[in-house]
Amino acid sequence: GENVEQHPSTLSVQEGDSAVIKCTYSDSASNYFPWYKQELGKGPQLIIDIRSNVGEKKDQRIAVTLNKTAKHFSLHITETQPEDSAVYFCAARGYGQNFVFGPGTRLSVLP
Amino acid sequence: SAVISQKPSRDICQRGTSLTIQCQVDSQVTMMFWYRQQPGQSLTLIATANQGSEATYESGFVIDKFPISRPNLTFSTLTVSNMSPEDSSIYLCSVRTEVGNEKLFFGSGTQLSVL
Repeated sequence: GENVEQHPSTLSVQEGDSAVIKCTYSDSASNYFPWYKQELGKGPQLIIDIRSNVGEKKDQRIAVTLNKTAKHFSLHITETQPEDSAVYFCAARGYGQNFVFGPGTRLSVLP
Repeated sequence: SAVISQKPSRDICQRGTSLTIQCQVDSQVTMMFWYRQQPGQSLTLIATANQGSEATYESGFVIDKFPISRPNLTFSTLTVSNMSPEDSSIYLCSVRTEVGNEKLFFGSGTQLSVL
């Protein structure tokens, strides 16, 4: 079955700097890759997603890139702000399959 | 997206008791799921809640321990039965809103502590 790895497990950046979180997946049939942000005491919030027929997608300060050949995808956050501090989860899903989530990255943005 | 309400938001329970968690969505959805998030961990799928029929459980989860109901397209319950401290987790309801739409949305979760 699918296996999703995520790095780093923790990440600290200065406010205004960029943050990058990387995930790798094992099943080449996976075709949908969302990213979630989870703040303390809240459920995961979908922040951006990408399908396998697209290499990059941007939404304001966040972007996701996908390399199907290498089977990895990354979340990029630019101009980080303290409110970006949270746990971020990546996930992968193949057609007709359930989502498999990565172990999470705790991002701290230092003022 | 959909507005997903979970009740209770948190509870502290005694060993051996059961707790039923409710999930209400503000619109009809195609699929509803229940996830568990153990402390500091990622999300693990417990089961898919099927409308009008028995839920589909993932490996390691059984109906006797986690009975699930889904009487209609907007509501589901998860019961955690005969609880032990190992059941202390966040339980999350999630939904997919329409056929062909991959997006998965989560409720705010139920923080369960078992003493």
